[in-house]
Order: sequence, then structure tokens, then C-alpha cells
Amino acid sequence: SAVISQKPSRDICQRGTSLTIQCQVDSQVTMMFWYRQQPGQSLTLIATANQGSEATYESGFVIDKFPISRPNLTFSTLTVSNMSPEDSSIYLCSVEGTSGVTRRRFFGPGTRLTVL
Amino acid sequence: QKEVEQNSGPLSVPEGAIASLNCTYSDRGSQSFFWYRQYSGKSPELIMSIYSNGDKEDGRFTAQLNKASQYVSLLIRDSQPSDSATYLCAVNPRRGTYKYIFGTGTRLKVLA
Repeated sequence: SAVISQKPSRDICQRGTSLTIQCQVDSQVTMMFWYRQQPGQSLTLIATANQGSEATYESGFVIDKFPISRPNLTFSTLTVSNMSPEDSSIYLCSVEGTSGVTRRRFFGPGTRLTVL
Repeated sequence: QKEVEQNSGPLSVPEGAIASLNCTYSDRGSQSFFWYRQYSGKSPELIMSIYSNGDKEDGRFTAQLNKASQYVSLLIRDSQPSDSATYLCAVNPRRGTYKYIFGTGTRLKVLA
């Protein structure tokens, strides 16, 4: 299993500013994923972060808005840039791991972002 | 048509009853199916995975998969108030890919 921590757990930010969210995993993982969960909505994949290469973004998400760093196999950051109220959401870091013989997706505790 | 569809609920069941949660998916080639439980204000946690047609049981939980009809369901026997949460269905469309498609979730309320 994987234990994932995220910082900050929550924040309230002003429009136009940026926030960097940190994700730390207790074991080395190849792929880390960043999800967004807007109020009442499901999880939407923002991007996949691989160590040593640029992140792969899903349709509707761009690097200028959500730059990602992946300096090593246990850490990643997601920045939400030039924020607007529409960015208010929970941002979740996730990794793929194994539990016994089952592959499973582990999620961090999330960062609850409110943009005023 | 959404890729993964769930009834948002809430689904209310009395304590001790069977809760039945359903999920349909659009990609007929989907390979792997998952049920996550998410308590309010918490992150999702995996409770069941299923890969082949039929039933898979784990304690009070049974996952059912019917690929021909493109649906997957989760049964919770002897429901407890602690089972009250949102249950997310997730589908991995292609073997070997990393992308999971999540449904919007069904909110379950177990009444004491």
C-alpha cells in the first residue's frame, strides 16, 4: 500500500493568485496522478506526472494553468495558476500501487481550495 | 451519453437491509471495474475490484459485472450506518492504461 500526504489540506485564495499543492508518497512510484473533484462532481483527471519527463495533460487542462513538477519518485507538485472562483475544488494526488495481487489507485487526503 | 453513469441518489435503506448500487458504462471494451467509497470530506478508498463477468464477494460486499449489458453493481449486505457514504464507480477502459473514468457517485444513507 501507499501512504500519501498533501499540503496544504485547505486554503482560501484570492482571484488571480497561484497556489502550489505538494504531494508526498512514502514509497517510490512511477506514475503520480492529479485529480480534481468539484462540488457534487466526480473525479476528473488533470494530468499524469512521470519522473524525468513532462506531465501528460488531459483534454481541457493545460500546462500554463496547471504546471506540474515531479523532481523524484516520491514527490510532485501541482500549481493552480491565475485562479478564478471556478477553480474552487478539491485537488487529489493519486498513485498506482499493489495490495497483494491487486493493482489499486491510492488517493491522498486532498486539498480543498476556495477561490474568492 | 456519459462514459460512466450512476444514479446520484440519495439511496436510503434501513439498517440491516441490502443496499444495491448500480453503474453503467459506455465503452464495451472496458476491462477493469472498481468501487470506491468516499466519506464526506475524505478521499476515495477502494473497496472492490472486478475484472470478469459474474459475482465477486468480499465480506458484506458483492460486486457484480455483466459486460454484455455493460453494467456493474455493488451489493452491501447487512447495511450499517457506517456504510453511509458516496460510492464511486470507476472503469479502466483499456488493459495496461492508467486512465480511470469515474462516475459521479451514488450517495447512500443507511438509516438506524
